[in-house]
Amino acid sequence: GENVEQHPSTLSVQEGDSAVIKCTYSDSASNYFPWYKQELGKGPQLIIDIRSNVGEKKDQRIAVTLNKTAKHFSLHITETQPEDSAVYFCAACTSGTYKYIFGTGTRLKVLA
Amino acid sequence: DAGITQSPRHKVTETGTPVTLRCHQTENHRYMYWYRQDPGHGLRLIHYSYGVKDTDKGEVSDGYSVSRSKTEDFLLTLESATSSQTSVYFCAISGQGDYGYTFGSGTRLTVV
Repeated sequence: GENVEQHPSTLSVQEGDSAVIKCTYSDSASNYFPWYKQELGKGPQLIIDIRSNVGEKKDQRIAVTLNKTAKHFSLHITETQPEDSAVYFCAACTSGTYKYIFGTGTRLKVLA
Repeated sequence: DAGITQSPRHKVTETGTPVTLRCHQTENHRYMYWYRQDPGHGLRLIHYSYGVKDTDKGEVSDGYSVSRSKTEDFLLTLESATSSQTSVYFCAISGQGDYGYTFGSGTRLTVV
């Protein structure tokens, strides 16, 4: 069945360093790839997304890259700050279905 | 989580009892979803709705039913709660043509 693999499951970085989280999807019909941030005790919040007709998208310190051929996409956070500490989820969605397949999450810890 | 509320926020129930969780939205969005979140599994789709009285199963629908009699409300019912249904349940909404989800704050359900 459709699957999204996410790595690593945990990631610790020093404040100011960069963090990279990677996801691989199985369904070649997937064409929308969002990233969600979940803080403790809260619901996931959309932080950035990318569509399959775009290779890269940036929003301040956050960027997402997509390699359709290899079927993987990555989240890049630069100049990390303590408030970036959270669980991050990737997902893949096929146009017209509105249903996501989520990755299993990455717990990011930014050490001050 | 503006525009979407879940109730209750916490519930403890006994094995074998029915339980209903409520999701209420004020965004007039077409799509509503119920996910469960468990360690190591990320977020898994239980059921979703694409309109009033239009619902469909997700990947982990066994033991759950849903109803949507009004645009704003999506109810999740555990017909006979089991310990394996102890989880955090999230409702999400999305609009037509908008693939980004808005999540509620979650309901922590414990079945004893």
